[in-house]
This record gives sequence, structure tokens and C-alpha cells, in this order.
Amino acid sequence: GAVVSQHPSRVICKSGTSVKIECRSLDFQATTMFWYRQFPKQSLMLMATSNEGSKATYEQGVEKDKFLINHASLTLSTLTVTSAHPEDSSFYICSGRGRANTEAFFGQGTRLTVV
Amino acid sequence: ELKVEQNPLFLSMQEGKNYTIYCNYSTTSDRLYWYRQDPGKSLESLFVLLSNGAVKQEGRLMASLDTKARLSTLHITAAVHDLSATYFCAVEHSGTYKYIFGTGTRLKVLA
Repeated sequence: GAVVSQHPSRVICKSGTSVKIECRSLDFQATTMFWYRQFPKQSLMLMATSNEGSKATYEQGVEKDKFLINHASLTLSTLTVTSAHPEDSSFYICSGRGRANTEAFFGQGTRLTVV
Repeated sequence: ELKVEQNPLFLSMQEGKNYTIYCNYSTTSDRLYWYRQDPGKSLESLFVLLSNGAVKQEGRLMASLDTKARLSTLHITAAVHDLSATYFCAVEHSGTYKYIFGTGTRLKVLA
């Protein structure tokens, strides 16, 4: 399958600071990127969907001003957690897909710890 | 709203035994995916099921899809310890193409 590269794999930041997570599609053009959050021993919860060149669509209950998503190119999407707090500590996973009706491919995930 | 449920949530089984994990979903969809997740890792794609009646097998795992019943199964044959992991099904929402994940099944295979 296609490759989605996510960085960093782990990040520790201080409460109140911002952290950026990158998600790159290496061998295909990702017209759509999805961002998920996973708390320990829970399932993946979709946070937002972004289409290249458009504003992201956020799921209900996800603060768009806190979780900034940029999808400026067909190979790169970023998630910035602003003013992070300990409750934002989680595993964040991105996935990208090319055309509609094609399979989405998942990044390696980012473990965020806010101290 | 598309909801996806898996059962059981936890499964502890002896090596060599067979078992089935079930994935039910609430609205129409023709696409369903199965993933494996090891602790601290992201998802590993296992199966892509794209039509009613689809059946796929890889090693000791076999997945099937019944879109009329809105049900998929993941069958484990003669389990081995290496299969211990969390298994997720994900249903693709028709129209939005979002993946909605099931609750997950934590499988532990005892030697």
C-alpha cells in the first residue's frame, strides 16, 4: 500500500505551548487527510477532515481554534495543537487518501505528552 | 449517524482455538476495513472488504462482509500468541468517505 509518514513519533511539550504534527503522503497525492485522536485503551475518534486547499471540517465537539489543521499541498497536512494542556495528551494519527473511493492509508502516529 | 460496534471487547483465548470477532454497523455502507494495532503503534491494514459477500483470508485470519445484515466477521483459526493485539473494524461512511471505527477487540492469546 501507499505510505503516509507522520512526524514526530513522540513529543513532550509544556502546558500552554503549541506543537505541530506533520503528515506527508510519500508516493501518492492525498486529496483528503483525516486526523484522529486515540486515548489509552480506546478507539480512534475522528477529529477533522481536510481537503487540499480547503478549510478543514471538524467533528462535533472538536475545537477548531485549538486544533489547527492545514492542508496546503497534496502531500502535506499539519495539525497544530495550540495552548496544549495535559488533557490533550493522546495518540494522534493521520490518514490520507487519493481519489474518492480509494483506500486511506495511516501514518505511524504521534504520542503527545503535555506536562 | 453511523455507529460501529464490535464484540467482544476483550477476548482471552488459548493457542490452537478458533474464535470470531463481530462488527456491526448502523447505516448502509459497502466498504469495511479491518486493522490490527499493537501497543504504542499505529494501525496495520489487514483486510479491505468492498462488496457484499466479500471474503478474504490471510494466514490464520479470515474476514467476511454481509452488507445486508450490516455485519462483518473476523475469524481466527488455530490462534497463536503472535496474534495478540487489538483489532479494529472501520466502516466507510457513504458520501463523506469518513472511516468510523469500531470499539476495538483486545485479543490475548495464551500460550
